[in-house]
Amino acid sequence: AQKITQTQPGMFVQEKEAVTLDCTYDTSDPSYGLFWYKQPSSGEMIFLIYQGSYDQQNATEGRYSLNFQKARKSANLVISASQLGDSAMYFCAMSYSGGYQKVTFGIGTKLQVIP
Amino acid sequence: DAGVIQSPRHEVTEMGQEVTLRCKPISGHDYLFWYRQTMMRGLELLIYFNNNVPIDDSGMPEDRFSAKMPNASFSTLKIQPSEPRDSAVYFCASSPQTPWTEAFFGQGTRLTVV
Repeated sequence: AQKITQTQPGMFVQEKEAVTLDCTYDTSDPSYGLFWYKQPSSGEMIFLIYQGSYDQQNATEGRYSLNFQKARKSANLVISASQLGDSAMYFCAMSYSGGYQKVTFGIGTKLQVIP
Repeated sequence: DAGVIQSPRHEVTEMGQEVTLRCKPISGHDYLFWYRQTMMRGLELLIYFNNNVPIDDSGMPEDRFSAKMPNASFSTLKIQPSEPRDSAVYFCASSPQTPWTEAFFGQGTRLTVV
């Protein structure tokens, strides 16, 4: 069965510092996608970054990078130069099945950026 | 594009009443998903459509829940009768392709059943 594990219920980071949010996954499918979404207190889900299981390089999007370690089945999100606006819930997710349409989410990590 | 639009943003209803949540996906997106978010269970996929056809409804909790997509620009999720345990935030998302490389979520409908 497919599963996403986020073991950090909450994290604190000083403004302008980098922070890593952990995510491990479990799947027997050779092909899958990994995502990170941000959910601020206002409630909307904001797509941050995507990594395909066959992508050779780690995905990057601005201050976000995904540290993809396939053998360890981990897909950690690294946020560089944290900003106050980064305070939010962060969800790791995985798409799977033949058409990749099914997506399972982790329980999230609450990040708080301290001034 | 305005993004995925959900209505209403908030809904408070009494137990036993029918509730209808609405979603307008992004134009041109072939896939539409309904998710439910609760503190206890996180984000759960309820059902998804491809080209207006329901593909997988295995996440729908019970027969009180039904979803339709009469055309490419509109979908509904109906709960009849509603129960307090249905209280949650319901998200609609749409995606342009498979595999899902980036799904766009609506702002959600916060449902409270009293």
